[in-house]
Amino acid sequence: EPEVTQTPSHQVTQMGQEVILRCVPISNHLYFYWYRQILGQKVEFLVSFYNNEISEKSEIFDDQFSVERPDGSNFTLKIRSTKLEDSAMYFCASSVGQGPNQPQHFGDGTRLSIL
Amino acid sequence: GDSVTQMEGPVTLSEEAFLTINCTYTATGYPSLFWYVQYPGEGLQLLLKATKADDKGSNKGFEATYRKETTSFHLEKGSVQVSDSAVYFCALSDKSGGYNKLIFGAGTRLAVHP
Repeated sequence: EPEVTQTPSHQVTQMGQEVILRCVPISNHLYFYWYRQILGQKVEFLVSFYNNEISEKSEIFDDQFSVERPDGSNFTLKIRSTKLEDSAMYFCASSVGQGPNQPQHFGDGTRLSIL
Repeated sequence: GDSVTQMEGPVTLSEEAFLTINCTYTATGYPSLFWYVQYPGEGLQLLLKATKADDKGSNKGFEATYRKETTSFHLEKGSVQVSDSAVYFCALSDKSGGYNKLIFGAGTRLAVHP
């Protein structure tokens, strides 16, 4: 069964450094998403992306965050200058379409630790 | 805004016991409802879904019925196994949001012992 793959599984970064989290969505999927889960808290929506544009973003997704689909297969999340509070598990997801019968499929996540 | 509330865990059961994990939601429209499961060290996997009132989603012995009158989507399984130990997330996606995002509950950890 096709999967969403994320790399790396664990990223440790110094505060203030830039970090790029990578995702390869399922190949025929057109909609892409990032979520995060701070330890012990809910999974929170960050951003959705379609047709090389952001469709929707949450209030969490401020100017420090950006997303890109650089080569038609990868989907990346960049945090420009990391803060301690960015430490979380980041999940990438993709879906074929959007609608009541179009579930999102998730990767295994990248655990980001900011020191 | 839209929200999902799940019963707090952990839920600890013996093998073959009956499982219920409660989930209620608040939404402005008629959302689609989902249960996702996260096994240790893995990502979120779609377990089942329901897209309209009175629909029943089912998979791997788990069931949940979309109850519009009580705004609920409780997860049930008649006989749990040790391999069902995981964290279960209830979630919704709403037309008013263009089905652009999932809104998750806090998750309920299930531990099944032999």
